[in-house]
Amino acid sequence: DTGVSQDPRHKITKRGQNVTFRCDPISEHNRLYWYRQTLGQGPEFLTYFQNEAQLEKSRLLSDRFSAERPKGSFSTLEIQRTEQGDSAMYLCASSLAQSATEAFFGQGTRLTVV
Amino acid sequence: QKEVEQNSGPLSVPEGAIASLNCTYSDRGSQSFFWYRQYSGKSPELIMFIYSNGDKEDGRFTAQLNKASQYVSLLIRDSQPSDSATYLCAVNAGGGNKLTFGTGTQLKVEL
Repeated sequence: DTGVSQDPRHKITKRGQNVTFRCDPISEHNRLYWYRQTLGQGPEFLTYFQNEAQLEKSRLLSDRFSAERPKGSFSTLEIQRTEQGDSAMYLCASSLAQSATEAFFGQGTRLTVV
Repeated sequence: QKEVEQNSGPLSVPEGAIASLNCTYSDRGSQSFFWYRQYSGKSPELIMFIYSNGDKEDGRFTAQLNKASQYVSLLIRDSQPSDSATYLCAVNAGGGNKLTFGTGTQLKVEL
């Protein structure tokens, strides 16, 4: 399967714990995006990378959220001190820079904070 | 005003009919427009994109764009029960590199 891969698919964590999610983009895609989606809403942009550079981060994103893409391949999204409001589907997408917004999504990581 | 607006539905159509899904956007600088299909509990799947005014057809799907009216639509011909899903409209607001999504329209195709 050469699509976008996310791990884990599901995560249940206790409030206050840290969690980390991984995304492996389509291999030739140099742009990688993180979105968050809650029930009944469309995906909400969090941040994106071109190669290893983080080029944009949502102004609404808490400082508890951090993302990395150290070698320009896979990316990780970490949430520190999780809160119940962080419960959502976290979606990763990738694209080619020259067709920047034709983004393809992975299956997502569903986070439940209890 | 939301950046991308869609009627949440549900929109119910009989099998074989044409389903028409609509989306308006607020930022006139938007250049790229996308339709994603999302089944319950699954991630969004790209089905159509359009950059220029007019119509773009792909199989049973036709995307229509009217930049003057800031309006984009998706027509699904010969609707099938398997088309039942939520359809998300997405726009690169301001011509940037991220997508801004609407809340989606739930489509139900009834036998």
